[in-house]
Amino acid sequence: IAGITQAPTSQILAAGRRMTLRCTQDMRHNAMYWYRQDLGLGLRLIHYSNTAGTTGKGEVPDGYSVSRANTDDFPLTLASAVPSQTSVYFCASSADSGGPTDTQYFGPGTRLTVL
Amino acid sequence: GQNIDQPTEMTATEGAIVQINCTYQTSGFNGLFWYQQHAGEAPTFLSYNVLDGLEEKGRFSSFLSRSKGYSYLLLKELQMKDSASYLCAVTDSNYQLIWGAGTKLIIKP
Repeated sequence: IAGITQAPTSQILAAGRRMTLRCTQDMRHNAMYWYRQDLGLGLRLIHYSNTAGTTGKGEVPDGYSVSRANTDDFPLTLASAVPSQTSVYFCASSADSGGPTDTQYFGPGTRLTVL
Repeated sequence: GQNIDQPTEMTATEGAIVQINCTYQTSGFNGLFWYQQHAGEAPTFLSYNVLDGLEEKGRFSSFLSRSKGYSYLLLKELQMKDSASYLCAVTDSNYQLIWGAGTKLIIKP
């Protein structure tokens, strides 16, 4: 693995179902992020983690949860999916937690459709 | 509130020069990023500015004026592969990245 991987690539989900989007990085980055990207809107931060064992809420956290048990993995869980959660989800990581020159590197994204 | 404005879409001709503008109003400023995103792909880092002035990197240059809350990305010698969305993002006082909606650049032969 080189960089960030996400799984699945795409998913169609029935409303009310539980879903976990997976994200793994092999760059030993401290910070990780989950964004959603919707047409006409900028990337919106859902949750973040500055270091393993800690997480924080972003701009649009409702309906989502995360965990950061180790440095490499940062799964995003939708406890009970709703159609408004239809979106493209990007996981990203950066070397440090919020430094001003902290470039974020993105995974390939998961396209999620909730029906 | 925090706000980043970019044009929604721009069209340019192969071989020409195009300037994509970004204006921002954020709570504090700790740097401005430009990312490129091809359709269906992830954003990739292009440039970072924290001081006023022009940063040049090959065919791409990025300019920042902190007093005006303004940046632009300049693309020279446009190639068809430059067709993509260009995202402007600002790091605020809490070191959170605030993203613009992106500018879709269409290159015509």
